[in-house]
Amino acid sequence: GAVVSQHPSWVICKSGTSVKIECRSLDFQATTMFWYRQFPKQSLMLMATSNEGSKATYEQGVEKDKFLINHASLTLSTLTVTSAHPEDSSFYICSANRADTQYFGPGTRLTVL
Amino acid sequence: DQQVKQNSPSLSVQEGRISILNCDYTNSMFDYFLWYKKYPAEGPTFLISISSIKDKNEDGRFTVFLNKSAKHLSLHIVPSQPGDSAVYFCAASGSGNTGKLIFGQGTTLQVKP
Repeated sequence: GAVVSQHPSWVICKSGTSVKIECRSLDFQATTMFWYRQFPKQSLMLMATSNEGSKATYEQGVEKDKFLINHASLTLSTLTVTSAHPEDSSFYICSANRADTQYFGPGTRLTVL
Repeated sequence: DQQVKQNSPSLSVQEGRISILNCDYTNSMFDYFLWYKKYPAEGPTFLISISSIKDKNEDGRFTVFLNKSAKHLSLHIVPSQPGDSAVYFCAASGSGNTGKLIFGQGTTLQVKP
């Protein structure tokens, strides 16, 4: 069964609004979670590493003020896309480590109009 | 700078035959490699992995081969089944199986009945 969940599975929003995506580890604690983004027909690109109780680590080229990450508990990390624009439309996926395997959530399709 | 490359965007194989998916990498610091299977609008599903200290790992119909000197790995699926049709991503990590992953572009496998 699924070990990582995401909510919502899809969201449509107007340009300029903010959208929050949740990533939860099910039945296990995850001190580290990862956020990826996939544009159509492209690879998954790591955006940031979410660390429980501390600041997230962002990859080069990813704006930390635009993509706010909060890892407030050992089972929940949130990604907030602030002031979303059409170019932020993408498939956002999180992952978490359980034992020695990295499991991915089902993804969230964001469409910004 | 694409550190992990899958140069074949697609592959078509007859049911029962072998599917070979290839992946090349450039960063010699990578020490763990993984293959994921992905369907549209879903998160990746872990298939098989290999540590850089090994050159082969087998799990049922799936075998991954690693050639460190050539910085090349491949995934063999035998026998191929129509249900194997999906996008396959190889990924690499420089900090074991629980670190951030760098993905290739993906190869779409179609297994024809």
